[in-house]
Amino acid sequence: QKEVEQDPGPLSVPEGAIVSLNCTYSNSAFQYFMWYRQYSRKGPELLMYTYSSGNKEDGRFTAQVDKSSKYISLFIRDSQPSDSATYLCAMSLGGIYNFNKFYFGSGTKLNVKP
Amino acid sequence: EPEVTQTPSHQVTQMGQEVILRCVPISNHLYFYWYRQILGQKVEFLVSFYNNEISEKSEIFDDQFSVERPDGSNFTLKIRSTKLEDSAMYFCASSVSVENTEAFFGQGTRLTVV
Repeated sequence: QKEVEQDPGPLSVPEGAIVSLNCTYSNSAFQYFMWYRQYSRKGPELLMYTYSSGNKEDGRFTAQVDKSSKYISLFIRDSQPSDSATYLCAMSLGGIYNFNKFYFGSGTKLNVKP
Repeated sequence: EPEVTQTPSHQVTQMGQEVILRCVPISNHLYFYWYRQILGQKVEFLVSFYNNEISEKSEIFDDQFSVERPDGSNFTLKIRSTKLEDSAMYFCASSVSVENTEAFFGQGTRLTVV
């Protein structure tokens, strides 16, 4: 079931570059959109979380949601070698009856070269 | 910083054996989840748990699986009779409320069924 699609990469960029990571989805009922970072053999770590459409900024990270296009993005400015990880997008329907049942993308592996 | 902890980090078991994966969620969180990630595949929702009962479960979560909160701090996933295809990373997650979709994940237990 291809609810959430994400380019697996790998994406290799030089240090300092702006990175753009993207996901598309098919279910227009998704309301909450998350980006997780996962280092090798570790659990997903929450980076950003947005509700509905719009932008959200946190330091070097900016999350964008375009519900009309069913497309979400994560931008990383001034990328660092420590940003090298797999980035997972996740979505949920939200609401009291969905109890944080997340639909994940397959993850994009990012490598930032020094 | 509070975190979700899981034990063991790696479990090897023979096919047909029962395994129990353990999790200690963040202390003031009320909602608990299990997800799994088969190698090379997406993170998949298994089950959510609130107020000592299952809130929602996926089609993966069949009669071989059960969850329990045996005391005020632990949350367990039991697989009664393991199959080769149960080999995966199992992630526990917790969130403070259902309206808050910021779920925090543990580092995972790698289950290998031989």
